[in-house]
Amino acid sequence: DAGVIQSPRHEVTEMGQEVTLRCKPISGHDYLFWYRQTMMRGLELLIYFNNNVPIDDSGMPEDRFSAKMPNASFSTLKIQPSEPRDSAVYFCASRQGESKHSPLHFGNGTRLTVT
Amino acid sequence: RKEVEQDPGPFNVPEGATVAFNCTYSNSASQSFFWYRQDCRKEPKLLMSVYSSGNEDGRFTAQLNRASQYISLLIRDSKLSDSATYLCVVNLDRGSTLGRLYFGRGTQLTVWP
Repeated sequence: DAGVIQSPRHEVTEMGQEVTLRCKPISGHDYLFWYRQTMMRGLELLIYFNNNVPIDDSGMPEDRFSAKMPNASFSTLKIQPSEPRDSAVYFCASRQGESKHSPLHFGNGTRLTVT
Repeated sequence: RKEVEQDPGPFNVPEGATVAFNCTYSNSASQSFFWYRQDCRKEPKLLMSVYSSGNEDGRFTAQLNRASQYISLLIRDSKLSDSATYLCVVNLDRGSTLGRLYFGRGTQLTVWP
């Protein structure tokens, strides 16, 4: 079975450029999460969707960040304009159902470097 | 106080040793608890859920202490392949939704031969 698929694996861009990260969740999973991981702050939840609807975006750091989920099989996280402090590994994860013990399945992550 | 706190380590133990990690959480209403494992430059993967009565999976034992608001992970007979970062994860339930998952910063384990 295909897991959560993220692209690109690596992204290097200059400050001020727009960055778009992509995610395809596991088929049938109705929750999708975007996380950011840095050495300083660990894993932080940015936003999550249920049935393509954003439920909690309180973790989105500022207006430069936006996320969409146009359908059940695709989501994007966009940063515009990007800044060096956005450099991190961005993980997408999906989960099936409401069970308290439903595990999160993570993608391989996108390593973003903003110079 | 952070939602989930862990000792970052590192823990360096020889093969065959028993090692234990603790994790404290701030919200007494938390309902779901997990341990995830993350290898270097890889994504986190579920190691095990933590149930109220405690649970075991092979060499791994997880315990929950609601009164003191901590969970623990015990690894017996450590293997070289256990070297990784172990992430404590707590889920705060809010009504009909599952709420946010809070990740600890992780505890780094190195098992040496």
